[in-house]
Amino acid sequence: DIVMTQTPLSLSVTPGQPASISCKSSQSLLHSDGKTYLYWYLQKPGQSPQLLIYEVSNRFSGVPDRFSGSGSGTDFTLKISRVEAEDVGLYYCMQGLHLPWITFGQGTRLDIQ
Amino acid sequence: EVQLVESGGGLVKPGGSLKLSCAASGFTFNNYSMNWVRQAPGKGLEWVSSISTSGRYIHYADSVKGRFAISRDNAKNSLYLQMNSLRAEDTAIYYCATNTIQPFDYWGQGTLVTVSS
Repeated sequence: DIVMTQTPLSLSVTPGQPASISCKSSQSLLHSDGKTYLYWYLQKPGQSPQLLIYEVSNRFSGVPDRFSGSGSGTDFTLKISRVEAEDVGLYYCMQGLHLPWITFGQGTRLDIQ
Repeated sequence: EVQLVESGGGLVKPGGSLKLSCAASGFTFNNYSMNWVRQAPGKGLEWVSSISTSGRYIHYADSVKGRFAISRDNAKNSLYLQMNSLRAEDTAIYYCATNTIQPFDYWGQGTLVTVSS
């Protein structure tokens, strides 16, 4: 199984400030088709997960442009340019290299200072 | 608008059975594979099972293989998860999720399964 490791596991951010979450995979997520199958999800309190970013850096429908993803191979980052109160929750990275055998990171809890 | 509504959760004794349902709307259900993902209380997300459009291809996590069975009824726009030989460690919120535009792109609100004596 591909192991996904997120850091930090929690962070507290002042509104308007940036935030960054790292995700490392135990093997490269670069597929032979040239795509890299790394996804980011946000689970707001009391809600189900929602897709934010697909294939490393593509924002899903309706996702604000303050969210961005980057990285390659085994190292990935989710950045929020200016955190807002509605961004609180648990952030998960997920690998989809060998669908459907996906695995998630442990989750990073973001709260507002 | 994609909508997924899970049902069927509840309290069951160890060794018991439960069948979860997921009612889908807002998209052409029979065109997309579907998934079940669970989240134990206070824990992270764990993929459980997936099924192809026709139901021909089915996959399970090792933790549920031989005990759970995924199925779908395209005429009813519904996804199911039959859970047998339930254990305490199966206690979780169970989500159904679609693979429409992207893998696991839309999720239901979840249904809670509690396995306890």
